[in-house]
Amino acid sequence: AQSVTQPDIHITVSEGASLELRCNYSYGATPYLFWYVQSPGQGLQLLLKYFSGDTLVQGIKGFEAEFKRSQSSFNLRKPSVHWSDAAEYFCAQSTSGTYKYIFGTGTRLKVLA
Amino acid sequence: DAGVIQSPRHEVTEMGQEVTLRCKPISGHNSLFWYRQTMMRGLELLIYFNNNVPIDDSGMPEDRFSAKMPNASFSTLKIQPSEPRDSAVYFCASSFEEVFYEQFFGPGTRLTVL
Repeated sequence: AQSVTQPDIHITVSEGASLELRCNYSYGATPYLFWYVQSPGQGLQLLLKYFSGDTLVQGIKGFEAEFKRSQSSFNLRKPSVHWSDAAEYFCAQSTSGTYKYIFGTGTRLKVLA
Repeated sequence: DAGVIQSPRHEVTEMGQEVTLRCKPISGHNSLFWYRQTMMRGLELLIYFNNNVPIDDSGMPEDRFSAKMPNASFSTLKIQPSEPRDSAVYFCASSFEEVFYEQFFGPGTRLTVL
């Protein structure tokens, strides 16, 4: 069965520090991968997506993610975290672009001033 | 664009009562999704509509849950009768299927069943 793993439930970083959130997806011939952010009391907002092409994807709010097929990973990165980045981050996979998303369990990010 | 609109944002009801959640998708989108989010189970797809037709309702928990989409701009999710274990945040999302099902989420309805 398809699965998406986010091994870190909670991550705490200091403001200005770099950030990497991990995501591993189950094998798929054509993985369509997404990162969403959910601020408290809000819906999910799409940060970035990968369908094909350049494996380094740029998103909104200064985030980027790198697709590594050999490691089945799609890790999210940001060089310098801002206090407003505190939120929960979800990685998701859609196999071959179907409507069914498989969501990871989320990583809650805390930012220290 | 106003984005996906959901109402109400919060709902508190008593066990046994009927609950109706509402969703207005983004104009022009032809796919609509209802999700449920809980701490225990994370985000679960309840039902998927395409061109107003239910395509996949395999995630609907039981017969107490029903969903309709009478037109392209409106959908409802109804729970009758409600139970405490239905307490969750319910999200509606919409997409245009030609864009690889990139989904746009509404702000959610937080349901509490006492």
